[in-house]
Amino acid sequence: EDQVTQSPEALRLQEGESSSLNCSYTVSGLRGLFWYRQDPGKGPEFLFTLYSAGEEKEKERLKATLTKKESFLHITAPKPEDSATYLCAVHVMEYGNKLVFGAGTILRVKS
Amino acid sequence: DVKVTQSSRYLVKRTGEKVFLECVQDMDHENMFWYRQDPGLGLRLIYFSYDVKMKEKGDIPEGYSVSREKKERFSLILESASTNQTSMYLCASSFNQGYGYTFGSGTRLTVV
Repeated sequence: EDQVTQSPEALRLQEGESSSLNCSYTVSGLRGLFWYRQDPGKGPEFLFTLYSAGEEKEKERLKATLTKKESFLHITAPKPEDSATYLCAVHVMEYGNKLVFGAGTILRVKS
Repeated sequence: DVKVTQSSRYLVKRTGEKVFLECVQDMDHENMFWYRQDPGLGLRLIYFSYDVKMKEKGDIPEGYSVSREKKERFSLILESASTNQTSMYLCASSFNQGYGYTFGSGTRLTVV
């Protein structure tokens, strides 16, 4: 069965302490991988789309990368305002227009 | 700025009530989706729609129905609300295959 697994479930960082979040997938026919940020009590907000292995996207302190089996969201010198839940999702050919979401990683950055 | 608007942020309903959750998008998107989100379970797809009057069951459709009479509006209906339907409900839309979703702000529904 196709799966999207995010790790770790939760991550606590000190301000300025860089780290990475992982999204691994076991799907066939990947058409795209998406990263979202979700603040408490709000809907997910789109961050990045990656379509092929080797592709990278950057936005401020965030950088997303993609291989054939996983994606990483690298956070460089995080600030407390980066605290949120980060979700990844995959778009798979056989699912049509549906995205399959991982359970998310809860990030807390302390000052 | 493109938007997906959900009619209520917070809703409290009684067991057995019929509940309507409304979602409107202003992006002329073909596809619309309803998810529920629960701690530890992530986002679970309830129903989705590719076009007006079209609907498809998602992973957890039991106890729910949907209506899409106009392209911009997608309604989720709880026919007889139960306490296990207490959850955060998220509506989303997308332009076409391969495009990401735009989410609404969510409706926190409590069934008592």
